Amino acid sequence: GQSLEQPSEVTAVEGAIVQINCTYQTSGFYGLSWYQQHDGGAPTFLSYNALDGLEETGRFSSFLSRSDSYGYLLLQELQMKDSASYFCAVRDRGDYKLSFGAGTTVTVRA
Amino acid sequence: KAGVTQTPRYLIKTRGQQVTLSCSPISGHRSVSWYQQTPGQGLQFLFEYFSETQRNKGNFPGRFSGRQFSNSRSEMNVSTLELGDSALYLCASSTGTGGEQPQHFGDGTRLSIL
Repeated sequence: GQSLEQPSEVTAVEGAIVQINCTYQTSGFYGLSWYQQHDGGAPTFLSYNALDGLEETGRFSSFLSRSDSYGYLLLQELQMKDSASYFCAVRDRGDYKLSFGAGTTVTVRA
Repeated sequence: KAGVTQTPRYLIKTRGQQVTLSCSPISGHRSVSWYQQTPGQGLQFLFEYFSETQRNKGNFPGRFSGRQFSNSRSEMNVSTLELGDSALYLCASSTGTGGEQPQHFGDGTRLSIL
């Protein structure tokens, strides 16, 4: 199986940049995904890195380094609506199970 | 295109009872996965169904079971409910093929055990 670690909480002000790190232990996986979940809502897919490097989608970017077993989600120009929980996830190549990290709660202050 | 629909949205049960939750995936999606989410926890994987077959299963007791129908709709059942089963149960659908595919989640069923 997989083990994913990410910080539990991050607080920042509007307009700031936040980086959420995700370290994992797995023997083989397809790629690293990120999901956002607002309080009381459903998780929604944000980004996916199949290969090493940076993927940019608007204000959000995601990075993967397989050699370092590490990835991150970068939130730029923070807005109040970005206050949510963010989860990293990997799918094992062997049993095809998708495992999630415990989530990082991002709080954006005015 | 309609999203993933879960019913009911809220449910209150007592210990020892059993419960069945329903999930209708996005049209054309053949994979349905179920997750349990509790405060402070991530999404704990329960099981995944693909084309009516359980493809894999998480580390939950046998009280948790599921099935998928030919129209890809899925149900999960929990028998002999315990207080610790109180949680948000999320269903997610995807195409289920071709490596990693984004999971599309429903709004969940919030189950409370008294």
